[in-house]
Amino acid sequence: DGGITQSPKYLFRKEGQNVTLSCEQNLNHDAMYWYRQDPGQGLRLIYYSQIVNDFQKGDIAEGYSVSREKKESFPLTVTSAQKNPTAFYLCASSNGLAGNNEQFFGPGTRLTVL
Amino acid sequence: GQNIDQPTEMTATEGAIVQINCTYQTSGFNGLFWYQQHAGEAPTFLSYNVLDGLEEKGRFSSFLSRSKGYSYLLLKELQMKDSASYLCAVSSGGYNKLIFGAGTRLAVHP
Repeated sequence: DGGITQSPKYLFRKEGQNVTLSCEQNLNHDAMYWYRQDPGQGLRLIYYSQIVNDFQKGDIAEGYSVSREKKESFPLTVTSAQKNPTAFYLCASSNGLAGNNEQFFGPGTRLTVL
Repeated sequence: GQNIDQPTEMTATEGAIVQINCTYQTSGFNGLFWYQQHAGEAPTFLSYNVLDGLEEKGRFSSFLSRSKGYSYLLLKELQMKDSASYLCAVSSGGYNKLIFGAGTRLAVHP
């Protein structure tokens, strides 16, 4: 079955620690995205990648970093510089960057920083 | 600025029809998406509109008026499993950037 996987589903970290969230897709999609979802707010774009070894900042990139070494993988690191990291993180992919390309979402990782 | 507005919550009765509205103001427009999201799960695609008019897909229909910056999602023959959040998102910019509304939480009761 084709799809997007994110792991882990729940993650707890102490304040000041960096943490990396995994995102893998086997849909052969070129574009991948990371969003953050907070209660009462819409999804907000953190980073996106159009192609391997290329990625761009979204609207709220501060305190986050990404890499895109393989087409299938787009891990997100939440650094200690992120002031309010507790949130639900969603990874998505699409078959290109044209505006009519549906984005497919992974199941999400709920990060709680204690 | 860029803004998408939709009601925060709605309730409806099983078997009824409900319309969820979405208004938007964005600097670019490449189309409008509706997604369904059950609590704690991934959003799933429902519909895409780029031209004015109504798109029908089974029990779900979506309407777009670009001149008014307005869309709605119509759900017919409501079922309990339709209880979820419905996200309106506009594709804007050159890289399929999606701008999301905060979502409308729909509760369907017997």
